[in-house]
Amino acid sequence: DVKVTQSSRYLVKRTGEKVFLECVQDMDHENMFWYRQDPGLGLRLIYFSYDVKMKEKGDIPEGYSVSREKKERFSLILESASTNQTSMYLCASSPTSDVRNNGDEQFFGPGTRLTVL
Amino acid sequence: EDKVVQSPLSLVVHEGDTVTLNCSYEVTNFRSLLWYKQEKKAPTFLFMLTSSGIEKKSGRLSSILDKKELFSILNITATQTGDSAVYLCAARAAGTYKYIFGTGTRLKVLA
Repeated sequence: DVKVTQSSRYLVKRTGEKVFLECVQDMDHENMFWYRQDPGLGLRLIYFSYDVKMKEKGDIPEGYSVSREKKERFSLILESASTNQTSMYLCASSPTSDVRNNGDEQFFGPGTRLTVL
Repeated sequence: EDKVVQSPLSLVVHEGDTVTLNCSYEVTNFRSLLWYKQEKKAPTFLFMLTSSGIEKKSGRLSSILDKKELFSILNITATQTGDSAVYLCAARAAGTYKYIFGTGTRLKVLA
C-alpha cells in the first residue's frame, strides 16, 4: 500500500524558531512536493524536488528551504518561523510519469498543522 | 499566469441529490487535470483526465473534460453523507512537475 508519512500531525512553535518538517515516502518515487494549504487560497506549492539533491522553487518559497539527501525523504525547513507561516503543510510524491498510466497522480501525506505563536 | 478556478465555493445538499462541481483552467501547454477528495486530512485521488469528451467513472462519481472550453466537471449522483468533503481540482502543464490547484469546493451532504 502506497504511503507518504509526515513526522508530526500537529506542531506549535515560537516566532524565530527553526522548524523542520519531515516527509518520507515508501514508493520509490522520484518527485516530491511541499505545499501549504490555507482557507480560501487552496494548495500552494512551496518547493518540489525531482531527484536526490535537486530542488526547484514553487510559487511561494520565501522563508522556506528544503533538503533531499535521500530519495525517500524530503524535508521542509523554516529558517526563522513567523506567525504568517501558521498553516497546514502537505507533502506529496509522484513517480516520473507516463500520462497513459495515470502517472500524474500525486500521493499526499496526512499533513502537519503548524501553529507559530 | 496559469490558474484553476473552482465553483461553487461551497454547496449544501440532501442525501440522494445529484451535484455537479465545476473546474475551469487556464494552463499553458496543458497536459492533465486531476480531481481529489479531501476529508479531514490528505487529499485522495479520484480521476485524471487528459482527453476531451471521455468520461471517467467510479461508482456514483464521474468526470469529463472539455479541452476546447477549458473546463471539467465532477458529478456525484445519489449523494451520501460520506461524500461530504472538499473536492480539489488541479491542472498540470506539459514539461513541468508543477500542479496548479483550485481553492476547492466544500460539499456538505445532509442526512
